[in-house]
Amino acid sequence: NAGVTQTPKFRILKIGQSMTLQCTQDMNHNYMYWYRQDPGMGLKLIYYSVGAGITDKGEVPNGYNVSRSTTEDFPLRLELAAPSQTSVYFCASSYSSGNTEAFFGQGTRLTVV
Amino acid sequence: DAKTTQPTSMDCAEGRAANLPCNHSTISGNEYVYWYRQIHSQGPQYIIHGLKNNETNEMASLIITEDRKSSTLILPHATLRDTAVYYCIVVPTGNQFYFGTGTSLTVIP
Repeated sequence: NAGVTQTPKFRILKIGQSMTLQCTQDMNHNYMYWYRQDPGMGLKLIYYSVGAGITDKGEVPNGYNVSRSTTEDFPLRLELAAPSQTSVYFCASSYSSGNTEAFFGQGTRLTVV
Repeated sequence: DAKTTQPTSMDCAEGRAANLPCNHSTISGNEYVYWYRQIHSQGPQYIIHGLKNNETNEMASLIITEDRKSSTLILPHATLRDTAVYYCIVVPTGNQFYFGTGTSLTVIP
């Protein structure tokens, strides 16, 4: 079972460039999430989705966009990369609300220079 | 959303039980307590969760106080591989997992 797959694993961007972090899950989960984790800190929720076509902001959405056209995929878009977006990004998914665990991908390490 | 308070760091001797506390005094009746851990910047790994009753699985036990204002994660026989950051999270019905800074557990040989 693949679970939650994130690509790429590593990326270096120049200031002002744009990129899309890919996330796909094969567990038919309704809920998907994007987090960022700065060095020595906990995870911060960027955006989440409760199903295809539905997205909502988390704690730190500025500078990011998401879409959810299918149940499986939840890409995160950075339009104008800034050094403050240097971080490790984690995607996660869960089946529904409340009594269910979230499964995490292995992360994308992004450096903006 | 209910917030959680955890100690910043703890040590535990290898082979002994590790008891990790968490305070969540503003928890609502329909909010679950979840525990995750993160080993060396990998993706967080689910450990256990509960609502009111104590729970046990192959990894750990979760003890929730009767008033639900605090809980304790117990790793019964800590090994070096249990060295990680442990996150206690209260999850509302909207299922948004908000992480704090967690407890850094070091298992000492």
